[in-house]
Amino acid sequence: QLQLQESGPGLVKPSETLSLTCTVSGGSISSSSYYWGWIRQPPGKGLEWIGSIYYSGSTYYNPSLKSRVTISVDTSKNQFSLKLSSVTAADTAVYYCARLFAVAGPAGGYWGQGTLVTVSS
Amino acid sequence: QAVVTQEPSLTVSPGGTVTLTCGSSTGAVTSGHYPYWFQQKPGQAPRTLIYDTSNKHSWTPARFSGSLLGGKAALTLSGAQPEDEAEYYCLLSYSGAGVFGTGTKVTVL
Repeated sequence: QLQLQESGPGLVKPSETLSLTCTVSGGSISSSSYYWGWIRQPPGKGLEWIGSIYYSGSTYYNPSLKSRVTISVDTSKNQFSLKLSSVTAADTAVYYCARLFAVAGPAGGYWGQGTLVTVSS
Repeated sequence: QAVVTQEPSLTVSPGGTVTLTCGSSTGAVTSGHYPYWFQQKPGQAPRTLIYDTSNKHSWTPARFSGSLLGGKAALTLSGAQPEDEAEYYCLLSYSGAGVFGTGTKVTVL
Protein backbone atom coordinates (compact mmCIF):
# COMPACT_ATOMS: atom_id res chain seq x y z
CA GLN A 1 0.00 0.00 0.00
CA LEU A 2 1.34 3.40 -0.99
CA GLN A 3 2.18 5.66 1.95
CA LEU A 4 3.27 9.29 2.08
CA GLN A 5 4.74 11.08 5.09
CA GLU A 6 5.44 14.79 5.46
CA SER A 7 8.34 16.08 7.54
CA GLY A 8 9.85 19.44 8.34
CA PRO A 9 9.86 22.31 10.86
CA GLY A 10 6.57 23.09 12.53
CA LEU A 11 7.49 26.73 13.12
CA VAL A 12 8.83 29.20 10.57
CA LYS A 13 9.56 32.89 11.06
CA PRO A 14 7.91 35.52 8.87
CA SER A 15 9.84 36.36 5.69
CA GLU A 16 11.75 33.07 5.86
CA THR A 17 11.39 29.99 3.67
CA LEU A 18 9.15 27.08 4.58
CA SER A 19 10.70 23.72 3.65
CA LEU A 20 8.92 20.37 3.77
CA THR A 21 9.76 16.90 2.50
CA CYS A 22 7.45 14.05 1.58
CA THR A 23 8.80 10.51 1.81
CA VAL A 24 7.05 7.91 -0.33
CA SER A 25 6.99 4.23 0.61
CA GLY A 26 5.28 1.26 -0.99
CA GLY A 27 6.03 2.55 -4.47
CA SER A 28 8.72 4.31 -6.46
CA ILE A 29 8.44 7.95 -7.41
CA SER A 30 10.27 7.32 -10.66
CA SER A 31 8.72 4.03 -11.75
CA SER A 32 5.31 5.26 -12.86
CA SER A 33 3.45 8.03 -14.55
CA TYR A 34 2.30 9.99 -11.53
CA TYR A 35 2.46 13.58 -10.41
CA TRP A 36 3.39 14.13 -6.76
CA GLY A 37 1.77 17.11 -5.16
CA TRP A 38 1.38 19.47 -2.22
CA ILE A 39 -1.87 20.78 -0.76
CA ARG A 40 -2.47 23.02 2.22
CA GLN A 41 -5.36 23.87 4.52
CA PRO A 42 -5.33 26.97 6.74
CA PRO A 43 -7.03 26.49 10.12
CA GLY A 44 -10.80 26.36 9.68
CA LYS A 45 -10.60 26.83 5.91
CA GLY A 46 -10.75 24.74 2.76
CA LEU A 47 -8.15 22.86 0.78
CA GLU A 48 -5.77 24.70 -1.56
CA TRP A 49 -3.75 22.97 -4.25
CA ILE A 50 -0.15 24.24 -4.21
CA GLY A 51 1.46 22.34 -7.05
CA SER A 52 2.83 19.04 -8.29
CA ILE A 53 5.90 17.50 -9.90
CA TYR A 54 6.63 14.59 -12.22
CA TYR A 55 9.70 12.49 -11.50
CA SER A 56 11.44 14.00 -14.53
CA GLY A 57 11.10 17.43 -12.90
CA SER A 58 8.23 18.99 -14.83
CA THR A 59 5.94 20.98 -12.56
CA TYR A 60 2.55 22.62 -12.24
CA TYR A 61 2.04 25.43 -9.73
CA ASN A 62 -0.97 27.30 -8.40
CA PRO A 63 -0.79 30.69 -10.16
CA SER A 64 -1.48 32.52 -6.90
CA LEU A 65 1.59 30.96 -5.27
CA LYS A 66 3.83 30.43 -8.28
CA SER A 67 6.22 33.27 -7.55
CA ARG A 68 7.06 31.83 -4.12
CA VAL A 69 6.86 28.05 -4.64
CA THR A 70 9.45 25.51 -5.70
CA ILE A 71 8.73 21.78 -5.78
CA SER A 72 11.60 19.40 -6.41
CA VAL A 73 12.12 15.64 -6.49
CA ASP A 74 14.91 13.37 -5.26
CA THR A 75 14.38 9.98 -6.88
CA SER A 76 17.37 8.45 -5.06
CA LYS A 77 15.63 9.04 -1.73
CA ASN A 78 12.09 8.49 -3.07
CA GLN A 79 11.20 11.96 -1.79
CA PHE A 80 9.83 15.20 -3.10
CA SER A 81 10.01 18.59 -1.45
CA LEU A 82 8.26 21.92 -1.12
CA LYS A 83 9.83 25.31 -0.59
CA LEU A 84 7.66 28.38 -0.01
CA SER A 85 9.55 31.63 0.31
CA SER A 86 8.77 34.92 2.04
CA VAL A 87 6.14 33.39 4.29
CA THR A 88 3.62 35.39 6.30
CA ALA A 89 1.02 34.43 8.87
CA ALA A 90 -1.35 33.69 5.98
CA ASP A 91 0.82 30.68 5.13
CA THR A 92 0.04 29.03 8.46
CA ALA A 93 -1.67 25.79 7.52
CA VAL A 94 -1.64 22.03 7.59
CA TYR A 95 0.44 20.94 4.61
CA TYR A 96 -0.30 17.64 2.91
CA CYS A 97 1.59 15.72 0.27
CA ALA A 98 -0.39 13.51 -2.07
CA ARG A 99 -0.50 11.56 -5.30
CA LEU A 100 -3.51 12.92 -7.15
CA PHE A 101 -2.79 13.14 -10.87
CA ALA A 102 -1.18 10.93 -13.48
CA VAL A 103 0.17 11.23 -16.99
CA ALA A 104 -1.84 8.16 -17.89
CA GLY A 105 -4.25 6.05 -15.91
CA PRO A 106 -5.71 6.71 -12.47
CA ALA A 107 -3.57 8.17 -9.70
CA GLY A 108 -5.92 6.94 -7.01
CA GLY A 109 -5.68 9.82 -4.57
CA TYR A 110 -3.25 8.91 -1.80
CA TRP A 111 -2.55 11.42 0.98
CA GLY A 112 -0.07 11.90 3.77
CA GLN A 113 -1.27 12.60 7.28
CA GLY A 114 -0.38 16.26 7.04
CA THR A 115 1.89 18.49 9.08
CA LEU A 116 1.01 21.79 10.74
CA VAL A 117 3.30 24.67 9.92
CA THR A 118 2.91 27.86 11.92
CA VAL A 119 4.41 31.12 10.75
CA SER A 120 5.24 33.24 13.76
CA SER A 121 8.16 35.15 15.21
CA GLN B 1 -7.65 30.30 -12.55
CA ALA B 2 -10.89 28.38 -12.65
CA VAL B 3 -13.30 28.52 -9.72
CA VAL B 4 -14.87 25.25 -8.59
CA THR B 5 -18.15 25.57 -6.73
CA GLN B 6 -20.00 23.30 -4.32
CA GLU B 7 -23.08 23.69 -2.17
CA PRO B 8 -21.99 25.23 1.15
CA SER B 9 -24.12 22.89 3.21
CA LEU B 10 -26.63 20.07 2.85
CA THR B 11 -28.71 18.16 5.37
CA VAL B 12 -29.83 14.55 4.96
CA SER B 13 -31.93 12.32 7.18
CA PRO B 14 -30.47 9.04 8.40
CA GLY B 15 -31.10 6.48 5.69
CA GLY B 16 -31.85 9.21 3.18
CA THR B 17 -30.19 10.21 -0.08
CA VAL B 18 -28.33 13.39 -0.92
CA THR B 19 -26.41 14.52 -4.00
CA LEU B 20 -23.49 16.94 -3.84
CA THR B 21 -22.37 18.71 -6.99
CA CYS B 22 -19.13 20.22 -8.25
CA GLY B 23 -19.24 22.84 -10.97
CA SER B 24 -16.56 24.64 -12.96
CA SER B 25 -16.47 28.32 -13.91
CA THR B 26 -14.95 27.35 -17.28
CA GLY B 27 -17.94 25.27 -18.38
CA ALA B 28 -19.15 21.71 -18.14
CA VAL B 29 -17.21 19.27 -16.00
CA THR B 30 -16.13 16.25 -18.02
CA SER B 31 -14.25 13.04 -17.37
CA GLY B 32 -11.19 14.89 -18.64
CA HIS B 33 -11.22 16.89 -15.41
CA TYR B 34 -10.62 13.58 -13.56
CA PRO B 35 -13.04 14.55 -10.75
CA TYR B 36 -12.19 13.53 -7.22
CA TRP B 37 -14.34 13.49 -4.11
CA PHE B 38 -12.79 13.61 -0.63
CA GLN B 39 -14.33 13.28 2.80
CA GLN B 40 -12.78 15.16 5.71
CA LYS B 41 -13.72 14.94 9.36
CA PRO B 42 -12.45 17.39 11.98
CA GLY B 43 -8.81 16.93 12.81
CA GLN B 44 -8.28 14.34 10.10
CA ALA B 45 -6.61 14.31 6.71
CA PRO B 46 -8.88 14.16 3.67
CA ARG B 47 -9.83 10.67 2.59
CA THR B 48 -10.36 9.85 -1.06
CA LEU B 49 -13.82 8.44 -1.72
CA ILE B 50 -14.04 8.73 -5.51
CA TYR B 51 -11.41 9.24 -8.22
CA ASP B 52 -11.71 9.72 -11.96
CA THR B 53 -15.43 10.56 -11.76
CA SER B 54 -16.76 7.25 -10.44
CA ASN B 55 -13.99 4.92 -9.30
CA LYS B 56 -14.02 3.77 -5.69
CA HIS B 57 -11.28 2.64 -3.37
CA SER B 58 -11.51 -0.53 -1.34
CA TRP B 59 -12.30 1.62 1.70
CA THR B 60 -15.11 3.57 0.02
CA PRO B 61 -18.49 2.57 1.46
CA ALA B 62 -20.83 1.21 -1.21
CA ARG B 63 -23.39 3.90 -0.37
CA PHE B 64 -21.20 6.54 -2.05
CA SER B 65 -21.18 6.87 -5.83
CA GLY B 66 -19.77 9.38 -8.29
CA SER B 67 -21.06 10.53 -11.67
CA LEU B 68 -21.41 13.42 -14.09
CA LEU B 69 -24.77 15.14 -13.83
CA GLY B 70 -26.01 18.15 -15.74
CA GLY B 71 -22.53 19.43 -16.58
CA LYS B 72 -21.21 18.92 -13.07
CA ALA B 73 -19.48 16.18 -11.14
CA ALA B 74 -21.76 14.64 -8.56
CA LEU B 75 -21.38 12.60 -5.40
CA THR B 76 -24.46 10.70 -4.28
CA LEU B 77 -24.84 9.32 -0.80
CA SER B 78 -27.61 6.73 -0.60
CA GLY B 79 -28.60 5.49 2.84
CA ALA B 80 -26.82 8.13 4.91
CA GLN B 81 -25.27 7.07 8.19
CA PRO B 82 -24.42 9.29 11.18
CA GLU B 83 -20.72 8.71 10.48
CA ASP B 84 -21.13 10.35 7.05
CA GLU B 85 -21.44 13.76 8.69
CA ALA B 86 -18.34 15.54 7.40
CA GLU B 87 -16.96 18.11 4.97
CA TYR B 88 -16.76 16.96 1.37
CA TYR B 89 -14.44 18.46 -1.22
CA CYS B 90 -14.17 17.89 -4.94
CA LEU B 91 -11.02 18.40 -7.00
CA LEU B 92 -10.78 19.00 -10.72
CA SER B 93 -7.75 18.83 -13.00
CA TYR B 94 -7.20 21.59 -15.52
CA SER B 95 -4.51 20.15 -17.79
CA GLY B 96 -2.56 18.91 -14.82
CA ALA B 97 -3.19 21.83 -12.47
CA GLY B 98 -5.62 21.14 -9.67
CA VAL B 99 -8.40 23.29 -8.24
CA PHE B 100 -10.35 22.27 -5.16
CA GLY B 101 -13.99 23.01 -4.66
CA THR B 102 -15.18 25.22 -1.85
CA GLY B 103 -16.44 22.27 0.18
CA THR B 104 -19.86 21.04 1.30
CA LYS B 105 -20.72 20.48 4.94
CA VAL B 106 -23.04 17.49 5.15
CA THR B 107 -25.16 17.13 8.26
CA VAL B 108 -26.98 13.87 8.99
CA LEU B 109 -30.01 14.85 11.02
